[in-house]
Amino acid sequence: NAGVTQTPKFQVLKTGQSMTLQCAQDMNHNSMYWYRQDPGMGLRLIYYSASEGTTDKGEVPNGYNVSRLNKREFSLRLESAAPSQTSVYFCASTRTSGIGTQYFGPGTRLTVL
Amino acid sequence: GQQLNQSPQSMFIQEGEDVSMNCTSSSIFNTWLWYKQDPGEGPVLLIALYKAGELTSNGRLTAQFGITRKDSFLNISASIPSDVGIYFCAGQPGNTGKLIFGQGTTLQVKP
Repeated sequence: NAGVTQTPKFQVLKTGQSMTLQCAQDMNHNSMYWYRQDPGMGLRLIYYSASEGTTDKGEVPNGYNVSRLNKREFSLRLESAAPSQTSVYFCASTRTSGIGTQYFGPGTRLTVL
Repeated sequence: GQQLNQSPQSMFIQEGEDVSMNCTSSSIFNTWLWYKQDPGEGPVLLIALYKAGELTSNGRLTAQFGITRKDSFLNISASIPSDVGIYFCAGQPGNTGKLIFGQGTTLQVKP
């Protein structure tokens, strides 16, 4: 039982390049989330998926897209990376959106040059 | 948007001392959560609080959900070196599943 897994762990992009961050959970959770973490700012919600087939914007969605591929997987895509998107990205999941106890993956450290 | 104010921002204490940190909000939350993050890792859930006034312990950790539903505190008793890390509070407004995070408290423990 791996919990929440994320790939890749590290990535360096040039401005304008695109990439997809992958997230998977094996806890049979319905809801999944993407956050970014910047120094001194805590974690901020980018997008979330309350259940398979639904996605909604969070606090900082601009420049990102998401896909809830199935119940297990929730991907985050940067279509044209910008230096302001340099951050650590965390995926999280919870059994249902009404329960706040989210479980986090290990993170992806992204640098955009 | 909604914001959480977490304090203090950082603490440097001697091993064996007790630690207290808190979060306040201008809005009401239905759930308060406390997470710990070690360097290079994702946040790990420490304590979850679901009712106003609730006081919950997890080993040397104790957390309370404020009566007004706008604040929470976390206490760590008899700190040890492995308590080092960043502690985050998080609040859930309503039942959307969205969490609002505080800015974090960085704890350093001197052996």
